[in-house]
Amino acid sequence: KNQVEQSPQSLIILEGKNCTLQCNYTVSPFSNLRWYKQDTGRGPVSLTIMTFSENTKSNGRYTATLDADTKQSSLHITASQLSDSASYICVVIKAAGNKLTFGGGTRVLVKP
Amino acid sequence: KAGVTQTPRYLIKTRGQQVTLSCSPISGHRSVSWYQQTPGQGLQFLFEYFSETQRNKGNFPGRFSGRQFSNSRSEMNVSTLELGDSALYLCATRAMPGETQYFGPGTRLLVL
Repeated sequence: KNQVEQSPQSLIILEGKNCTLQCNYTVSPFSNLRWYKQDTGRGPVSLTIMTFSENTKSNGRYTATLDADTKQSSLHITASQLSDSASYICVVIKAAGNKLTFGGGTRVLVKP
Repeated sequence: KAGVTQTPRYLIKTRGQQVTLSCSPISGHRSVSWYQQTPGQGLQFLFEYFSETQRNKGNFPGRFSGRQFSNSRSEMNVSTLELGDSALYLCATRAMPGETQYFGPGTRLLVL
C-alpha cells in the first residue's frame, strides 16, 4: 500500500532554534517528493521539489534531504522564526499516473 | 499572475443540503485537482480535471462530483450533505499533469 508517514505529529521549538521533520514513504514507483508549508486557514505552498537523483535542496532557511534507497526525506528548518509556525506536509508523487500521496503533516509551533 | 482563487471562502449549510464550490485556476493552468482536508484525515484527493475531462478520482462517494469548463474553471458539488463533510476544500492547479501544483486558499465548509 502506498503510504507517507510523517513524524513528529507536532513540535514546539523556541525562536532561533533548528528543527528537523521526517517523512518516510512506501510509494512506488517514485517520481518526486515535495514539501509544502500550510499556514492556518490557507492553502499549502510548495517549499521544495526533489527528484530521485537529488539528495539535498534548499529554499532559504528550509533544507530538504532525500534518500531514495531508504525512502526517507527530512525537512530541516534553520534559525526558526515565528512565521515558521505552520503545518508541513510531505507529498510523494507516484510515477506513471502522477498520483499524489499526502502525509498527515507535522504541526510546528515556534515560540518567542 | 493572479493566484488560484476559490469561492466562497466560508460556507455554512445544514444536513441534506447541497453545495457548489468554485475554483479559478492560474492563467494558463489546465489541470485542476480538488482535495478535502480535515484534522483527522489530513489531505485527501477527490478528483482531478484536465481539459474538461476527469482524469483521476479518489475514494469518495458519488455525492461528490465535479466538472471543468472550457476556460479551465472548475466546480465541485456535494449533494445530501452530512456532518462529516465539514472540512476545508482545497483546489490546486497546474499547467500540465506532473508539474507543481499551486493551491488556492480553500473553502471552509461547516455542515450543521
